[in-house]
Amino acid sequence: NAGVTQTPKFRVLKTGQSMTLLCAQDMNHEYMYWYRQDPGMGLRLIHYSVGEGTTAKGEVPDGYNVSRLKKQNFLLGLESAAPSQTSVYFCASQTTNEKLFFGSGTQLSVL
Amino acid sequence: AQRVTQPEKLLSVFKGAPVELKCNYSYSGSPELFWYVQYSRQRLQLLLRHISRESIKGFTADLNKGETSFHLKKPFAQEEDSAMYYCALSPGANNLFFGTGTRLTVIP
Repeated sequence: NAGVTQTPKFRVLKTGQSMTLLCAQDMNHEYMYWYRQDPGMGLRLIHYSVGEGTTAKGEVPDGYNVSRLKKQNFLLGLESAAPSQTSVYFCASQTTNEKLFFGSGTQLSVL
Repeated sequence: AQRVTQPEKLLSVFKGAPVELKCNYSYSGSPELFWYVQYSRQRLQLLLRHISRESIKGFTADLNKGETSFHLKKPFAQEEDSAMYYCALSPGANNLFFGTGTRLTVIP
């Protein structure tokens, strides 16, 4: 069972570069989320989606864009990376009122 | 606005000792509360949720609405309990607000 898969697992970017993080889930979940995890800050919600074709802003959306063109995929984009976006990024998926299933994380460093 | 506070960043206890990880929340409505755990080199996973009133791996958590707390407790800590623990609150709108986490170390 793959569950929630994130790619890549690690990435180093230079300031100003762009990249896309991919999250894929094979559980037919409606809801998907992108969180970032920073020391002393816990997990903070960046963007989320309640279904294919819909996205919404979370707690810290600035500097990120997302797309949910297919139900199983939720993409997180950084158009112009900044050092403040150095973090560990977690994707999660969920069915209604059920627990979140998390991916294994993407460690991103922006130099 | 909702907020989850975990006052202890680090907590160390000896094996066999009781452990309590504190969680306080602020929310005007009736939230749903969770504890998530991240063991070393594993992904974050649900430990328990208050509506289930269950005990998982010997852990329990009781929602105290008067004190707005949802502390996680275990009477006898085990080495395998060493992990990062996150308290989380869901206001019911497809969102989950996490605390800053407590790293528990159980000393052999």
